[in-house]
Amino acid sequence: DQQVKQNSPSLSVQEGRISILNCDYTNSMFDYFLWYKKYPAEGPTFLISISSIKDKNEDGRFTVFLNKSAKHLSLHIVPSQPGDSAVYFCAASDVSNQFYFGTGTSLTVIP
Amino acid sequence: DVKVTQSSRYLVKRTGEKVFLECVQDMDHENMFWYRQDPGLGLRLIYFSYDVKMKEKGDIPEGYSVSREKKERFSLILESASTNQTSMYLCASKENTEAFFGQGTRLTVV
Repeated sequence: DQQVKQNSPSLSVQEGRISILNCDYTNSMFDYFLWYKKYPAEGPTFLISISSIKDKNEDGRFTVFLNKSAKHLSLHIVPSQPGDSAVYFCAASDVSNQFYFGTGTSLTVIP
Repeated sequence: DVKVTQSSRYLVKRTGEKVFLECVQDMDHENMFWYRQDPGLGLRLIYFSYDVKMKEKGDIPEGYSVSREKKERFSLILESASTNQTSMYLCASKENTEAFFGQGTRLTVV
């Protein structure tokens, strides 16, 4: 059963606007969340993370919000750029040392 | 700079062949992982290892085995390749909270 879900397989946004990618999880024991970005034919690269003791983490154009009560996190990219076009994976981890990945959201930023 | 290297970017193998996918990390990480990525299914964990000679099954271990003889190297083995193992394979290593991925191996089984 999928413990981390990304319900939007794709998203298109105009350049300069905000991109919002969503992720839901079911396991309340997850204590760390990450976003990875993946270009075709390359491995995922780490983008931003957040610990469960926080509700927001910001790094330049990227902000991750965590709502523990709703078991929901989101990634905001503002302003969106064409180079942001990629597949974004949400991931969660617990004390088991494993990562649990969502199915990914393909973001297209239209120039 | 962190580096996880997978031995091949692209592989084409025949059904029934034994296939080895190699992964090497230079960060002295204890934890290493093999995932496969398929459209609509995200990254699914095949096997992981938390120490030399230690391995644990992930979500989809059937048809695969692994080997971790040295800390820096984690090998994924397809004992008898089948067409449903055509996929992108990703190796990762992890210490603390972040995982670092290799560039991926696109395997096609014909």
